[in-house]
This record gives sequence, C-alpha cells and structure tokens, in this order.
Amino acid sequence: QVQLVQSGTEVRKPGASVRLSCSTSGYDFMPNYIHWVRQAPGQGLEWMAWIKPNTGGLQYAPQFQDRVALSTDPTIDSVFLQLSRLTLNDTAIYFCARGGDWDWKTPFDYWGQGSLLIVSS
Amino acid sequence: SYVLIQPPSVSVAPGQTATLTCRADIIRIKRVHWYQHKVGQAPTLVIYDDSDRPSGIPDRFSGSTSADTATLTISRVEAEDEAVYHCHLWDGHSDGKFGGGTRLTVL
Repeated sequence: QVQLVQSGTEVRKPGASVRLSCSTSGYDFMPNYIHWVRQAPGQGLEWMAWIKPNTGGLQYAPQFQDRVALSTDPTIDSVFLQLSRLTLNDTAIYFCARGGDWDWKTPFDYWGQGSLLIVSS
Repeated sequence: SYVLIQPPSVSVAPGQTATLTCRADIIRIKRVHWYQHKVGQAPTLVIYDDSDRPSGIPDRFSGSTSADTATLTISRVEAEDEAVYHCHLWDGHSDGKFGGGTRLTVL
C-alpha cells in the first residue's frame, strides 16, 4: 500500500535551517508530484511547494520562494524539504502529500504523518 | 485571513446530517477537494473535484458546489467522523489554497 513516512521532531533556533524528509513506498516514486503543506498551531493548512521527481520540476509558494528548497533521492524514493532562516512563525507540523502524476493541480491522495518543527530561542 | 471561508465549528448528533461549507468567489470556476484530519493522524482525502469520492470512503460523504460555495455533506454521522475538515483548491498559476478548517463535533 502507498505510504509516506516522515522524519521526526526537530528543534531549531531562529535563523537556523532544517531539513525534513519524506520517504515513500508502495508505488512508482518517479511520476507523482509530492507536495509539502504545513499547519501552524491553531491555524489551517498552508501549501508550500511541490516537486515532480521524474522531471525535477519545482514550484514554491511565493511566501516561501526565497528560503525553501525541495530535492529528491530516487535511490531511496524520498523527498526532502529544506527551510532556511527560520523564525518563530515557522513552528508547525509539516506534511508531505502525494499528488497526481499528470498535473500538479490535483488533490492529495496520500499524506505523511507529519513532522513537527519547533523554532525556539 | 483565508481566501476560503469555513465556519470554525459544526456540531451534530449521531445519525444526523452534517453540512460543512467552504465559500469563496473563486469556487465558481475551480474544483474543490475536502480532507478529513483527525488529531495525530495524516489527513485523508474524502472528496475530490467537488463531488467525487475516493475508493474506501463511505457513501455517507458527498460533495457539491453552487455559485460561490462548496459543501461537504456527511449523512448518518458517526462518532468516528469527528475531525477537522479542510477544503482545498488550486488558485491561479500554482498556488494551493486551504480554508481555515471546520471542526466537526459529534455530540
């Protein structure tokens, strides 16, 4: 079955960077878009970015454009999110989610369990 | 503030029908997806493209749109349906938008 398994809790100080991972299994990793979505405490979901492993195509939400980077490692069917210049407002649960394989404008049919990032001085 | 407006909470008794709404002008021209999110779990897609239901989702869940409002209807509500429900659409060139989420409480 399709699974997305994410890395665990991270704690960082303001100004630091963090790298979160999303390991996939149960399907062909390469064609499907993988998206990242976050949820800050008491807030709704916020879409951040997508990557398409087989083309390397990327898209970042404007508010994260200058400090987020997505990458993949096809040898382990994994996607990585790097977020830099962290602020207290980046404290959130970060989810990876699978999209379609033909278009990025699709729903997310499988989600990871979430990675908690705590930014604290 | 959110582009997509969802009421913060809805309460319903078991066996009754829950109606959750998501409102925005852009809904007139965009497809809406709905996710169920239980505490400590990964979100689950329950409705996509306004009204389609993924395999494995009970037919108690249905979706519709009219004018600027998308609606998720849960018939014969069960205790296990208690969760936060998020609406989602793709806005413009490549920007995903979510509503603020509605917490469904089963009384």
